[in-house]
Amino acid sequence: GAVVSQHPSWVICKSGTSVKIECRSLDFQATTMFWYRQFPKQSLMLMATSNEGSKATYEQGVEKDKFLINHASLTLSTLTVTSAHPEDSSFYICSARGAAGTQYFGPGTRLLVL
Amino acid sequence: DAKTTQPTSMDCAEGRAANLPCNHSTISGNEYVYWYRQIHSQGPQYIIHGLKNNETNEMASLIITEDRKSSTLILPHATLRDTAVYYCIVSRDTGRRALTFGSGTRLQVQP
Repeated sequence: GAVVSQHPSWVICKSGTSVKIECRSLDFQATTMFWYRQFPKQSLMLMATSNEGSKATYEQGVEKDKFLINHASLTLSTLTVTSAHPEDSSFYICSARGAAGTQYFGPGTRLLVL
Repeated sequence: DAKTTQPTSMDCAEGRAANLPCNHSTISGNEYVYWYRQIHSQGPQYIIHGLKNNETNEMASLIITEDRKSSTLILPHATLRDTAVYYCIVSRDTGRRALTFGSGTRLQVQP
C-alpha cells in the first residue's frame, strides 16, 4: 500500500514555543491531506483538510491561527502548532488521499508540551 | 456520511478467524465501506474497502450483505499482532472528504 511518513515521531517542547510537524506521501501524489489529533483513550478527531496550493479548511473549534497548515506540494503538508500549551499535548496524525480515493495514514507524532 | 455501529470489544483465540461486524443501515448507494485498524500508538492502517461485492486481499476479507446494511471483516487466522482497534467507516470514494472515525471495536487476540 501507499506510504505516508511523518516527522518527527515525537517531540517535547516548552510551553510557548512552536512545533512543526511534516507529513509526506512517499510514493504517490496527494491532492488532499488531512490532519487529525487523538487524545488518550479517544478516537481520531479531524482538525483540518488541506488541498495543495490553497488554504486549509478547519473543523469547527480548531483555531486556524494556532494550527498553521501549509500544503506546498503534492507530497508535503506541514502542521505548525504555534505557542504550544500543555493542553495541546496529543497524538497528531496526518493522512493523504491519493487519486484513487483511498486515505492512507502516517505513523503519527506524539507532542508533549511541558 | 452514514453512521456505523460496532461492538465495543471482542476477543479471539490466536489462530482462529476473527469476525468483526459492522452495522451501517443508513448507507447510501454511492458510499463505500472502509475498514482500518489502529495498533496502539500508531497511525491507522488501511485494511480493505468495498461497495457491494465481497472483497478479499492479503490481510482480510470483507463480506457485505446484499442490502448493504451491514458488513463483516474477517481476519482468517488471527495472530497476537492483530490486536488493535478496528474501525468500520462509510464514505464516498470521491471528492475531498475526510474519514470520520467512531469508537471502533477493540479486538484482543488471546494466546
